[in-house]
Amino acid sequence: EAGVTQFPSHSVIEKGQTVTLRCDPISGHDNLYWYRRVMGKEIKFLLHFVKESKQDESGMPNNRFLAERTGGTYSTLKVQPAELEDSGVYFCASSRQGQRNTEAFFGQGTRLTVV
Amino acid sequence: GDSVTQMEGPVTLSEEAFLTINCTYTATGYPSLFWYVQYPGEGLQLLLKATKADDKGSNKGFEATYRKETTSFHLEKGSVQVSDSAVYFCALSGATNKLIFGTGTLLAVQP
Repeated sequence: EAGVTQFPSHSVIEKGQTVTLRCDPISGHDNLYWYRRVMGKEIKFLLHFVKESKQDESGMPNNRFLAERTGGTYSTLKVQPAELEDSGVYFCASSRQGQRNTEAFFGQGTRLTVV
Repeated sequence: GDSVTQMEGPVTLSEEAFLTINCTYTATGYPSLFWYVQYPGEGLQLLLKATKADDKGSNKGFEATYRKETTSFHLEKGSVQVSDSAVYFCALSGATNKLIFGTGTLLAVQP
């Protein structure tokens, strides 16, 4: 079974540009989460999809961030325009729907550097 | 709100040394507790978990016990190996399965 896949693994962009991160969850996983780790700090929750619906987007930092999950399969996270403080590692995770404490499987992350 | 506080790193140990990484939490209700590990160049992996008070999670020689009275979930291993070098994250989740992480602790094990 393929794991959670994220693309790209690294991205370096200039301030003001747009970047789109992609996450392919494990097939059959309805739950999809985005998290972010800013340099040396804790990993913070950004948002949670159940299939194509946003269940919780309370962690999205501001309206420069837009997440989509068309058709309930892969998800994209767009940052437009990027700012220096957006630099960090963006993780995606997926899990099966259903009972509490279902294990979430993480991707390798996308390291975003805004210069 | 809910939060997790874990031991600052980096932690540097010699092979076969005893490891403790402290983790305490603040939460309403009865969260589940987790330790995740990130090996160099890889994604986060679940190391172990405990879903209720006094449960002990264990995996690969690592253990952690859910202590409600001290709101702690300290990670321990009796004899570390070089291959255990990684970043370790303590985390909790409530009813929504959203994870709240600590800052991570870098462990470096020297031969």
